Amino acid sequence: SQQGEEDPQALSIQEGENATMNCSYKTSINNLQWYRQNSGRGLVHLILIRSNEREKHSGRLRVTLDTSKKSSSLLITASRAADTASYFCATTDSWGKLQFGAGTQVVVTP
Amino acid sequence: DTGVSQNPRHKITKRGQNVTFRCDPISEHNRLYWYRQTLGQGPEFLTYFQNEAQLEKSRLLSDRFSAERPKGSFSTLEIQRTEQGDSAMYLCASSSTAGTVYHEQYFGPGTRLTVT
Repeated sequence: SQQGEEDPQALSIQEGENATMNCSYKTSINNLQWYRQNSGRGLVHLILIRSNEREKHSGRLRVTLDTSKKSSSLLITASRAADTASYFCATTDSWGKLQFGAGTQVVVTP
Repeated sequence: DTGVSQNPRHKITKRGQNVTFRCDPISEHNRLYWYRQTLGQGPEFLTYFQNEAQLEKSRLLSDRFSAERPKGSFSTLEIQRTEQGDSAMYLCASSSTAGTVYHEQYFGPGTRLTVT
């Protein structure tokens, strides 16, 4: 079973626009990570936010975490066509095991 | 290339046949994970190793599935008597527990299994 749910399931935007996706999860976490997956390929780690952090930035990425609401958001600013991919949030338990959501499919059109 | 590698990348097999996949983790990583991903879904945890010890197995891992990590290096995942429902992408990831409790996992490209 999936730990989290991403919202929306799909997102279509134009280059230059911002893309925001949300993730909700069910149980307590050690940290939360976001991954990107291009069509039919492996996952690429984007960013990790610890359970005691509220916001983190990496390049054009901004992640927030609200442990009281068991939710996280990923913002991609100034999107590019190369950002077209599926984005997954994954929570980590104390053993390092990842539990993924179903993902948000993002399409960025030129 | 020092990333996680998986072989083969694609495998087509007939129902009832056995298949074996291999994963070579990043050399200094002591943890190795297997996940399965079906179309339109996120990866689901199957099992993981710390060094050569298999520490946890998901209920998804039926008796037809077995995984090994001899000598704590590469790992193999074998599926016996494959069924059409086994068709999926099998992903391997590795991580290091040295110096941190925050586990960033590095994924391989996956092995796509098609059972006909």
